Amino acid sequence: KNQVEQSPQSLIILEGKNCTLQCNYTVSPFSNLRWYKQDTGRGPVSLTIMTFSENTKSNGRYTATLDADTKQSSLHITASQLSDSASYICVVSAAGKSTFGDGTTLTVKP
Amino acid sequence: DGGITQSPKYLFRKEGQNVTLSCEQNLNHDAMYWYRQDPGQGLRLIYYSQIVNDFQKGDIAEGYSVSREKKESFPLTVTSAQKNPTAFYLCASSIGEFNQPQHFGDGTRLSIL
Repeated sequence: KNQVEQSPQSLIILEGKNCTLQCNYTVSPFSNLRWYKQDTGRGPVSLTIMTFSENTKSNGRYTATLDADTKQSSLHITASQLSDSASYICVVSAAGKSTFGDGTTLTVKP
Repeated sequence: DGGITQSPKYLFRKEGQNVTLSCEQNLNHDAMYWYRQDPGQGLRLIYYSQIVNDFQKGDIAEGYSVSREKKESFPLTVTSAQKNPTAFYLCASSIGEFNQPQHFGDGTRLSIL
């Protein structure tokens, strides 16, 4: 069964600190991996998308990495801001299907 | 601005009642999707449509129905057969197939009265 597992389930950090969120997947064959940010009560917004051949993709203070050999991805947030408080969702696409992780809830405190 | 509009933002359903959630997009996307989101869980696919007048069941289609009469519109009906309808419903669209990035609306929260 194709699965996408995210860790940690929740995370609390202080404003200005960095953090890293993890995504492990067993989806095969792999097409692309996407990270989304979802604010409370809103729809997810795309942060990055990576194909099999890409191992790093940045979007401002967000940097996603991909290791297709170990089937792991991470999302690194630099110099966190209060507005980074949200759920971060990893989505892996393969063979005409997208599998969503359960998300990591990040809380940034002043 | 292009985007996806979902309405209403909040919806309440009485026992035995069908309710319809609206989803409209002006992105000229061919594919549209409906997802259900429960607290602490990943998005689960209800229905999707890759072309007008055609749609396919997702993983949890029971108790739901859809139509795709226009490219821009993909309404979802939650029928009385759906015994646990309380959830956050998200509509999305993409240029083509599932592998393409999806754009999401801001959701409809459905509750039982």
